[in-house]
Amino acid sequence: TQLLEQSPQFLSIQEGENLTVYCNSSSVFSSLQWYRQEPGEGPVLLVTVVTGGEVKKLKRLTFQFGDARKDSSLHITAAQPGDTGLYLCAGRSGGFKTIFGAGTRLFVKA
Amino acid sequence: GAVVSQHPSRVICKSGTSVKIECRSLDFQATTMFWYRQFPKQSLMLMATSNEGSKATYEQGVEKDKFLINHASLTLSTLTVTSAHPEDSSFYICSASQGQGVTEAFFGQGTRLTVV
Repeated sequence: TQLLEQSPQFLSIQEGENLTVYCNSSSVFSSLQWYRQEPGEGPVLLVTVVTGGEVKKLKRLTFQFGDARKDSSLHITAAQPGDTGLYLCAGRSGGFKTIFGAGTRLFVKA
Repeated sequence: GAVVSQHPSRVICKSGTSVKIECRSLDFQATTMFWYRQFPKQSLMLMATSNEGSKATYEQGVEKDKFLINHASLTLSTLTVTSAHPEDSSFYICSASQGQGVTEAFFGQGTRLTVV
């Protein structure tokens, strides 16, 4: 069974701080997605990484895919209260199934 | 990104009745659609994968006779919760993808089902 371990599960920080969320697996993924979900809504895709070692930036968010395509990280610089939400990583293997990590609930205090 | 519309967003039903949830891809053809269930403060759990024109593939532990999935067209998949019970109350979310060679799937806004 493939598992995606996401950490930390909960993070409460002050506005302006930096943070990193990790997503790890023993399995290789053909691609990995990061989503953000607001309460009562569906997840919204932030980024897809496909190539081992790939780094993508989205404003203050930096996403990295591990060289072996088994892990990924999301780094947020100078967090803002608007960044508060549930962040989910999701990996797709050689098949078509996508599995999700447990999620990281981020709370940024003003 | 592509738009996926899910309807209804909220539904309350009586125990023993059936509820149908629709998932539509509005601006692309979705070869494959996925149905997830999410409990409060937890991640998404895949229930089943449906490919247009064929039977859905259910995950282990998901009752196919209770959660009926139909994917009759490239833009519409439905999930019917049959003989609903209070323990079926949950947040159900669909996602749609254009095909196996496409890496991204886009999510609907979710349906909050409450069975009383």
